[in-house]
Amino acid sequence: DTAVSQTPKYLVTQMGNDKSIKCEQNLGHDTMYWYKQDSKKFLKIMFSYNNKELIINETVPNRFSPKSPDKAHLNLHINSLELGDSAVYFCASRTTSGGQETQYFGPGTRLLVL
Amino acid sequence: GQSLEQPSEVTAVEGAIVQINCTYQTSGFYGLSWYQQHDGGAPTFLSYNALDGLEETGRFSSFLSRSDSYGYLLLQELQMKDSASYFCAVTGQAGTALIFGKGTTLSVSS
Repeated sequence: DTAVSQTPKYLVTQMGNDKSIKCEQNLGHDTMYWYKQDSKKFLKIMFSYNNKELIINETVPNRFSPKSPDKAHLNLHINSLELGDSAVYFCASRTTSGGQETQYFGPGTRLLVL
Repeated sequence: GQSLEQPSEVTAVEGAIVQINCTYQTSGFYGLSWYQQHDGGAPTFLSYNALDGLEETGRFSSFLSRSDSYGYLLLQELQMKDSASYFCAVTGQAGTALIFGKGTTLSVSS
């Protein structure tokens, strides 16, 4: 069983288009995140949701809008895509079981904007 | 600002021992984590230290010194499959997201 899944795995699109990435976790975790990994492999937090509520919104253009219909799902919608949005986007969920902070990452969505 | 410093690259041979250091400067500190990422893959959890000392999990160990804002990941009996990027990450406050270092690329040769 896949713990954290994302769709699509690859996304190639033109500048100016609007696209969505979906994420689902079957681990029962309350907290989910979106991270962006650039071409230099730098991982940066974009958003964090706890039980469907936004708790972290880093300095991200408002073209990016997360939505959490329930605590198992956290989707990311991107409007008016730009070349600089090309990156790998990872969804993750978090547990603190036994006092240990662990995040489980999805397989990533490789976005290429042409 | 918040920053984590780790070496960009490390090379080693099979069977060797490698230590990847991480120093951090963050506005809060709850714990230090290490993640492994193979090319084309997702980050996967390796270890977590909230208290000073050494945590051992098989061939991998992680150390934390809160007073020195320093930690390291120790990889023993290196194998080719250990070639990957290794990220240290800080949880600044309970429940907040990870702040990642820029990653260390480990290359293991035979």
